[in-house]
Amino acid sequence: SAVISQKPSRDICQRGTSLTIQCQVDSQVTMMFWYRQQPGQSLTLIATANQGSEATYESGFVIDKFPISRPNLTFSTLTVSNMSPEDSSIYLCSVRTASNIQYFGAGTRLSVL
Amino acid sequence: SQQGEEDPQALSIQEGENATMNCSYKTSINNLQWYRQNSGRGLVHLILIRSNEREKHSGRLRVTLDTSKKSSSLLITASRAADTASYFCATDAAGRDKIIFGKGTRLHILP
Repeated sequence: SAVISQKPSRDICQRGTSLTIQCQVDSQVTMMFWYRQQPGQSLTLIATANQGSEATYESGFVIDKFPISRPNLTFSTLTVSNMSPEDSSIYLCSVRTASNIQYFGAGTRLSVL
Repeated sequence: SQQGEEDPQALSIQEGENATMNCSYKTSINNLQWYRQNSGRGLVHLILIRSNEREKHSGRLRVTLDTSKKSSSLLITASRAADTASYFCATDAAGRDKIIFGKGTRLHILP
């Protein structure tokens, strides 16, 4: 299994500001992902965080809005830039282990005023 | 785009009854996973079933997979109040690294 620490757990931010979310895993993992879950909805994949190279973004998500860092095999950050109320969501970090099971952090609940 | 679709979207049953949720998907897969989410918190992994498996059990959970119909079911037996949550299936399309989630089933266990 994998234990994922994600912080902050929640934040309330002003429109136009940026928030960086941190994700720390207790073991080295190759595959790391960031998801968004809008209120009452399912999870949508934002991007795959690649160690040592640029993240791979899904359709509808761009690097300028959601820059991602992955400096090593246990850590990643997601920044939500120039926030608007539409960015109010839960953001979740996820990792895939060698057994192909994908584990999730507790999420960051973001509210943008 | 979402790969899996759960059915029903919402389900209310009496405590002690069995709950069955279904998941359909569109393309060939390597694995299918079921997750539980309580009140907008993080996801808890329940079971992973591989494309060459037909059934798996874990405690009160039973998962089946029918690759010919591209569908899976999650059965929770002898339901408890603590089973109240949203349940999601997630599939990884064959040849791809990412998993895609269905819309989920909201399960409510009535006392």
